Amino acid sequence: GAGVSQSPSNKVTEKGKDVELRCDPISGHTALYWYRQSLGQGLEFLIYFQGNSAPDKSGLPSDRFSAERTGGSVSTLTIQRTQQEDSAVYLCASSRPRTNQVTETQYFGPGTRLLVL
Amino acid sequence: DQQVKQNSPSLSVQEGRISILNCDYTNSMFDYFLWYKKYPAEGPTFLISISSIKDKNEDGRFTVFLNKSAKHLSLHIVPSQPGDSAVYFCAAKYRDDKIIFGKGTRLHILP
Repeated sequence: GAGVSQSPSNKVTEKGKDVELRCDPISGHTALYWYRQSLGQGLEFLIYFQGNSAPDKSGLPSDRFSAERTGGSVSTLTIQRTQQEDSAVYLCASSRPRTNQVTETQYFGPGTRLLVL
Repeated sequence: DQQVKQNSPSLSVQEGRISILNCDYTNSMFDYFLWYKKYPAEGPTFLISISSIKDKNEDGRFTVFLNKSAKHLSLHIVPSQPGDSAVYFCAAKYRDDKIIFGKGTRLHILP
């Protein structure tokens, strides 16, 4: 079956412009995560959606970052007034609902490589 | 404050030998630990995990060891193969499923 898909795969933008990054999770996966990986850094947690619960936004670095998830499926990460330090690979992951206290594996998309000039 | 630390940015190992990747954590509330493998231009893929109630989990060539008193875990790959060359991320999670990743270790398997 199809895995997690992200679009665009690459995005070059000018400083100050807004960008939208899209994630299509695996069908049936109720949990969706956004991470970013800056050059030489690890995976930085940004935001986490689980079903109909309020999202965990604790990782968003500033109020220029926001994300939404429509209909419990597709998610969009929006970065307003982009800065050069926003340049990174933005990764989306999804997982099945957690059952019986068993952690479900996260499946990652290929990422969107964002370059802010 | 980095809660999951991978202090070796890179590691080179001869093909056929054992690769040992290390990870330290600071938060004693973590209850589950995972290792992910990442090739260039691809998303990370899950490799192996271990619950905090265990000290060892083995899956084929991959074994993860957990030392809770030292807040340390390690991934052993034996024997190492060329296809194992990748970046390996250690990760840990709270009960609410938010997963915290380390910075990764780049493993080079030498012919």
